[in-house]
Amino acid sequence: DGGITQSPKYLFRKEGQNVTLSCEQNLNHDAMYWYRQDPGQGLRLIYYSQIVNDFQKGDIAEGYSVSREKKESFPLTVTSAQKNPTAFYLCASSISGSRYNEQFFGPGTRLTVL
Amino acid sequence: AQTVTQSQPEMSVQEAETVTLSCTYDTSESDYYLFWYKQPPSRQMILVIRQEAYKQQNATENRFSVNFQKAAKSFSLKISDSQLGDAAMYFCALKDSNYQLIWGAGTKLIIKP
Repeated sequence: DGGITQSPKYLFRKEGQNVTLSCEQNLNHDAMYWYRQDPGQGLRLIYYSQIVNDFQKGDIAEGYSVSREKKESFPLTVTSAQKNPTAFYLCASSISGSRYNEQFFGPGTRLTVL
Repeated sequence: AQTVTQSQPEMSVQEAETVTLSCTYDTSESDYYLFWYKQPPSRQMILVIRQEAYKQQNATENRFSVNFQKAAKSFSLKISDSQLGDAAMYFCALKDSNYQLIWGAGTKLIIKP
């Protein structure tokens, strides 16, 4: 089955630690995205990548970093510089970055800072 | 800047009845796309329906349809014959030349049996 997987489902982090959230897709999509979701708010874009070895900052990139070494993978690192990282993180992909193509989403990772 | 506003934090409807969720948006562009996504308790985001701004005809997908009013910048979602499985958060989103999705804050839909 084609789809997007995110791991882990739940992640706990101590203050001052970096953590990496995994996102893998087997849909052969070129574009991938990372969103953050907080209670009572819509999704906010952290980073996106339209092609391997290239990515752009979204609206709330500070304190986060990404890499895109393979088409299938787009890991997100939450660094200690992110002041309030507790949130639900969603990864998405699309055929390309065009306006028409819908984004498909993974099941998400819930990050909690202890 | 582009914005998407969902003014109804929560809506409830009796099973088998019809409910309409509201969405207004703002963009300076004439060519864009609008989406409704559903997020059930599993938190998996699922596309419900999509509307191209250049199309005057309202999109429909089975029990789901939209009322797209381009001049008023309004994009409401109508769910007919509501079912228990429709209970979820519903998000309206806008995609324009920036190729990024701009999201509303969501509406929680409760289905009463």
